[in-house]
Amino acid sequence: SQKIEQNSEALNIQEGKTATLTCNYTNYSPAYLQWYRQDPGRGPVFLLLIRENEKEKRKERLKVTFDTTLKQSLFHITASQPADSATYLCALHGSSNTGKLIFGQGTTLQVKP
Amino acid sequence: EPEVTQTPSHQVTQMGQEVILRCVPISNHLYFYWYRQILGQKVEFLVSFYNNEISEKSEIFDDQFSVERPDGSNFTLKIRSTKLEDSAMYFCASSPGLLSYEQYFGPGTRLTVT
Repeated sequence: SQKIEQNSEALNIQEGKTATLTCNYTNYSPAYLQWYRQDPGRGPVFLLLIRENEKEKRKERLKVTFDTTLKQSLFHITASQPADSATYLCALHGSSNTGKLIFGQGTTLQVKP
Repeated sequence: EPEVTQTPSHQVTQMGQEVILRCVPISNHLYFYWYRQILGQKVEFLVSFYNNEISEKSEIFDDQFSVERPDGSNFTLKIRSTKLEDSAMYFCASSPGLLSYEQYFGPGTRLTVT
């Protein structure tokens, strides 16, 4: 079955450093991969979408890579700030063409001042 | 900026009761979704809805669940006879298109079944 794995351990980093989060998937050939941010008790908020023919996508301090050979996406936050502390979710569309998103369990990032 | 809204923010109900969770998607969006998240677990897909009908539903979405778009703006999720294990955050989402489009999520309704 289709599976998405994110590092379930929390990531603690110092302010100003680069945070790198990993998303691995199996039994999947996604055309698109998305990253969302989720704060406690809130709904996911879309951050970035990357297509299978894009190696890298950037938005301000965020960068996403997509390696379809390794079946992996990396999500980077450069010059991290305490306000970046949240849970980051990787999501892929299901194989049916209905918009269904399948989420990873998320990685919690804690940026310390 | 347009946003998805959900009401109520918190619903407490007794086991066996019916609940209706309400959502107002973004007005020009065409695709609508419900997801749920049990405390400490991942966000799980429940159902997708397009052109006034269900396009896909998950195994969780059994006969106790139904969705409706009763007018041009609201999108509701009904649970006919709630169970303890239905306690979760329920998120509504909408998108303007399918695969290459992001989904916009509401703030969620926390459902507590006692």
